[in-house]
Amino acid sequence: NAGVTQTPKFQVLKTGQSMTLQCAQDMNHEYMSWYRQDPGMGLRLIHYSVGAGITDQGEVPNGYNVSRSTTEDFPLRLLSAAPSQTSVYFCASKSGTAYSNQPQHFGDGTRLSIL
Amino acid sequence: AQKVTQAQTEISVVEKEDVTLDCVYETRDTTYYLFWYKQPPSGELVFLIRRNSFDEQNEISGRYSWNFQKSTSSFNFTITASQVVDSAVYFCALMGETSGSRLTFGEGTQLTVNP
Repeated sequence: NAGVTQTPKFQVLKTGQSMTLQCAQDMNHEYMSWYRQDPGMGLRLIHYSVGAGITDQGEVPNGYNVSRSTTEDFPLRLLSAAPSQTSVYFCASKSGTAYSNQPQHFGDGTRLSIL
Repeated sequence: AQKVTQAQTEISVVEKEDVTLDCVYETRDTTYYLFWYKQPPSGELVFLIRRNSFDEQNEISGRYSWNFQKSTSSFNFTITASQVVDSAVYFCALMGETSGSRLTFGEGTQLTVNP
């Protein structure tokens, strides 16, 4: 059971570089989301999607772009990396609609360092 | 707006002790859902329990139990006879009906169980 798969697991970037964090789920979930985890701050929502072709901003969207062309994939793009974006990034998905009370299933995370 | 507070940043206990992790939440919604997640040292996020605002019945699952009290806006988590494998960061999270699908996390409590 693959569940939610994130790649890469680790990445080091230089300031100003761009990259895409990949997220794929094989559970046919409509709802997907991206969080960042910083020490002492819990997880904060970056962007989310309630279905293919639909995305919306979360709590901390600045500096990140997303798209959702398929149900399975929800990539997160950093257009010009900044040291403040050094964090652990988690992708998650859940069954049902955006408002369902189903728990979100998380990927294993991507640890990103910006030098 | 919704908020989750986990006032205990770190807790250290000796194996076989009971330990309670506190979670206090704020929301203006009458319908909301509360969750607990576990993040072991390996880094993944593991769903533990979901509770909706209309169900104040306490729940027990093996050595884990949860006490939900709307009167004090608390959803506390108790581990009985703690074990070294319980060492992890534990997150409490909230999703209100008017928050869209946004899940708000507390800052987490680092639990260390010493042999």
